[in-house]
Amino acid sequence: DAKTTQPNSMESNEEEPVHLPCNHSTISGTDYIHWYRQLPSQGPEYVIHGLTSNVNNRMASLAIAEDRKSSTLILHRATLRDAAVYYCILRDVISGTYKYIFGTGTRLKVLA
Amino acid sequence: EAQVTQNPRYLITVTGKKLTVTCSQNMNHEYMSWYRQDPGLGLRQIYYSMNVEVTDKGDVPEGYKVSRKEKRNFPLILESPSPNQTSLYFCASSLGAQAYEQYFGPGTRLTVT
Repeated sequence: DAKTTQPNSMESNEEEPVHLPCNHSTISGTDYIHWYRQLPSQGPEYVIHGLTSNVNNRMASLAIAEDRKSSTLILHRATLRDAAVYYCILRDVISGTYKYIFGTGTRLKVLA
Repeated sequence: EAQVTQNPRYLITVTGKKLTVTCSQNMNHEYMSWYRQDPGLGLRQIYYSMNVEVTDKGDVPEGYKVSRKEKRNFPLILESPSPNQTSLYFCASSLGAQAYEQYFGPGTRLTVT
C-alpha cells in the first residue's frame, strides 16, 4: 500500500489561509488522494478527494502536484473550529483496494 | 437523520470477559468498517465488510471478530479482551467499497483492566 507523510503539527492564525502538505512519493496512477479531519472528541469526517486536477468544495481546496507525488489541503480562512487532526490517505478505488490506511495525520492548531 | 451509532459509548471491563460493541447505520450503506485509535499510532483499521456476509481483515484484526448478518449492523466482538485492547473504537460506513466518503460513528472508549 502506498504511504503518505505529513508533518506532525502546524499552527495558523485565525482568518489566515492554511496549507497542509502531504507527500506520497509512491503513489500509483489509480490512487485517489483523500483528506479527512478529526475534531476533538469526535470521529473523523470527510473533507475532500482528488485524482489529478485541483479540487474545490465548500470546506477546502485540494492542490495536487503535477507529478502527483505531493498534495496540499488549503483552508482559505482558518477558524477556531478548524483546529483538528488532518489525515491524508490514498485509496485505489479502481483496482479494488478496500482497506483504509490513515496514519497519524497533522494536528492543526489555530490561534485566535 | 443519517447517522452511524455505536453502543456503548464507554465501557470498562475485565480481562477475559467477552464483550460486543454494536454499530448500526441508517443510510443503506454497503461498506462498513471498524477502527481503533491509540495515542501515537493514529487510526488503524481492524475489519471491514463490503456487504452482508462479506468481511475481511484490516491491518490489526488479532483478538477481534466481526459479523455482518444484516446490512445495517456490524458488531465488533472481543471474545477474550486483554489490556492491550484498551482503546478508542470507531465504526464507519460508506455507500460502497469504492465510495469516497466514509461516515464515522461517535466512538466507543473501551478500558480493559
